[in-house]
Amino acid sequence: TQLLEQSPQFLSIQEGENLTVYCNSSSVFSSLQWYRQEPGEGPVLLVTVVTGGEVKKLKRLTFQFGDARKDSSLHITAAQPGDTGLYLCAGARSGYALNFGKGTSLLVTP
Amino acid sequence: DAGVTQSPTHLIKTRGQHVTLRCSPISGHKSVSWYQQVLGQGPQFIFQYYEKEERGRGNFPDRFSARQFPNYSSELNVNALLLGDSALYLCASSLIPGTGGSNQPQHFGDGTRLSIL
Repeated sequence: TQLLEQSPQFLSIQEGENLTVYCNSSSVFSSLQWYRQEPGEGPVLLVTVVTGGEVKKLKRLTFQFGDARKDSSLHITAAQPGDTGLYLCAGARSGYALNFGKGTSLLVTP
Repeated sequence: DAGVTQSPTHLIKTRGQHVTLRCSPISGHKSVSWYQQVLGQGPQFIFQYYEKEERGRGNFPDRFSARQFPNYSSELNVNALLLGDSALYLCASSLIPGTGGSNQPQHFGDGTRLSIL
């Protein structure tokens, strides 16, 4: 059972465009993490959000945690080809497992 | 500083065989977690170990087992391999056990790509 639903599943845009990726659940999470994974590599942590309503910025990336701590979004401004990759959200509840979504595969073309 | 290292990077096995995958955590990290990532899916939690003890286990059959050594490295063993075990197996390390909260970030290795024929 997938606790986290990510949308869209695939996204192909041109350099300079803006985009938003969504991560939704009916469950409450104590924290939520966003990772980027490139082919042949492991996921790389981008950010962790902990507080409901929290907004964090990482250069052109803006991450938001929903007020109820059930959902999150990732917004990329002026996407660049280097942003291409699989974006994964992962939620932490009790216990020791990170619950991952299926990911959003992003392709940014020059 | 070296990140999480996993070996081998690729492995091909046939059904019914067993396999051992290895993971060395980041220096100073005492907790290791294993995840399975099937093509087109997000990683699924298998195990977490801390101080050589199992701290958490995901919904995987008993064919999957793991252990952690005194130097905090870890092995994942899978017996009686099935075609469905074909996946990328990821190891993640953190300073202390947990689910990667703000003070417990998990760092992933590049994984072992296991193919079952």
